Amino acid sequence: AQSVTQPDIHITVSEGASLELRCNYSYGATPYLFWYVQSPGQGLQLLLKYFSGDTLVQGIKGFEAEFKRSQSSFNLRKPSVHWSDAAEYFCAVVRDDKIIFGKGTRLHILP
Amino acid sequence: DGGITQSPKYLFRKEGQNVTLSCEQNLNHDAMYWYRQDPGQGLRLIYYSQIVNDFQKGDIAEGYSVSREKKESFPLTVTSAQKNPTAFYLCASQRYTEAFFGQGTRLTVV
Repeated sequence: AQSVTQPDIHITVSEGASLELRCNYSYGATPYLFWYVQSPGQGLQLLLKYFSGDTLVQGIKGFEAEFKRSQSSFNLRKPSVHWSDAAEYFCAVVRDDKIIFGKGTRLHILP
Repeated sequence: DGGITQSPKYLFRKEGQNVTLSCEQNLNHDAMYWYRQDPGQGLRLIYYSQIVNDFQKGDIAEGYSVSREKKESFPLTVTSAQKNPTAFYLCASQRYTEAFFGQGTRLTVV
């Protein structure tokens, strides 16, 4: 069963604009949730994670994410994107002690 | 520096040949994972190991094999039974519930 859904395959925003990448999960009442970023041909880097507590989580590179239990969502946000943010972003959830990934959202930045 | 090392970065093989991808970690993590990445498919779990000398199949284990003789090493063999082996392969180790990734190996079978 699909545990993580990222509805947007591609997102294009202008440099300096705000960003929101969507993620919905379908596993666990209190899931462990992550956002990772991948540059082309590279491994994945952890941006942020949510286990419990404050539902607004701050990460690296100016990213944040908000856990909304009522919507089963964990959307990633950034107030102002930079050209270097162009990459693929993966939402993930822990299921049965394994990390299960969504299919990713590729972010394109317009100059 | 602690981390996960995958080698080689690029690998070419002829169809029908087995090939082994290396993954080494010096993070002292018990759990290690192999994922396959194809465009638009995200990361799909091939095999994982929670402890030395033990491993389990993931979602797409057919045509692959692994071993875990040492805590630091978790090599993946892509066998000739894997029908479509050309892909980007990522190794990860896990501490608690956070995964740390290597830089990947791009395997091309011709």
